[in-house]
Amino acid sequence: GDSVTQMEGPVTLSEEAFLTINCTYTATGYPSLFWYVQYPGEGLQLLLKATKADDKGSNKGFEATYRKETTSFHLEKGSVQVSDSAVYFCALSDWSGNQFYFGTGTSLTVIP
Amino acid sequence: NAGVTQTPKFQVLKTGQSMTLQCAQDMNHNSMYWYRQDPGMGLRLIYYSASEGTTDKGEVPNGYNVSRLNKREFSLRLESAAPSQTSVYFCASSDRPNNSPLHFGNGTRLTVT
Repeated sequence: GDSVTQMEGPVTLSEEAFLTINCTYTATGYPSLFWYVQYPGEGLQLLLKATKADDKGSNKGFEATYRKETTSFHLEKGSVQVSDSAVYFCALSDWSGNQFYFGTGTSLTVIP
Repeated sequence: NAGVTQTPKFQVLKTGQSMTLQCAQDMNHNSMYWYRQDPGMGLRLIYYSASEGTTDKGEVPNGYNVSRLNKREFSLRLESAAPSQTSVYFCASSDRPNNSPLHFGNGTRLTVT
């Protein structure tokens, strides 16, 4: 079945460091791919999405490119801030659009 | 700009008690979902409703029932709570099949003792 695998955390970075969180997926058909962010005590919020191969999603300095050849959707940011500290989830929606599959989440802490 | 509203925010139950988690969305979305979030396991789908009047099981439906009361509301019921159901529960909605993302509520933290 469909699934998402993302890198284990936790990840600790200094402010202004480069961030990469790896995400790979297994899916039939043509899934849509998403990154969500969860701040403490809150629900998940959409960070960015891509709906077809080679699409690049971007928001708030974060980027991810839908790579069908490597079945990947890695999250990157050039210079992280303390306010980026959160848990990040990679997800896909299946070909029917009815089901979403989530990775286990990667906790990021950015220290000043 | 309410989005998805869940009640209650916190709940403590004793083993064997029952309760209903409420969820409502004001975005006119067709699809609604219930997930549970446990440490190290990400989000797991309990039930979903692709449209008003339909419900389907997800990955972990045992011990739960749902009701899609109308287009806005989707409730989750625990008939006889067990400690294994201690978790954070999230309701979400989506405007399927237009490929839109999930919109989440802020969650209900449930502890079963």
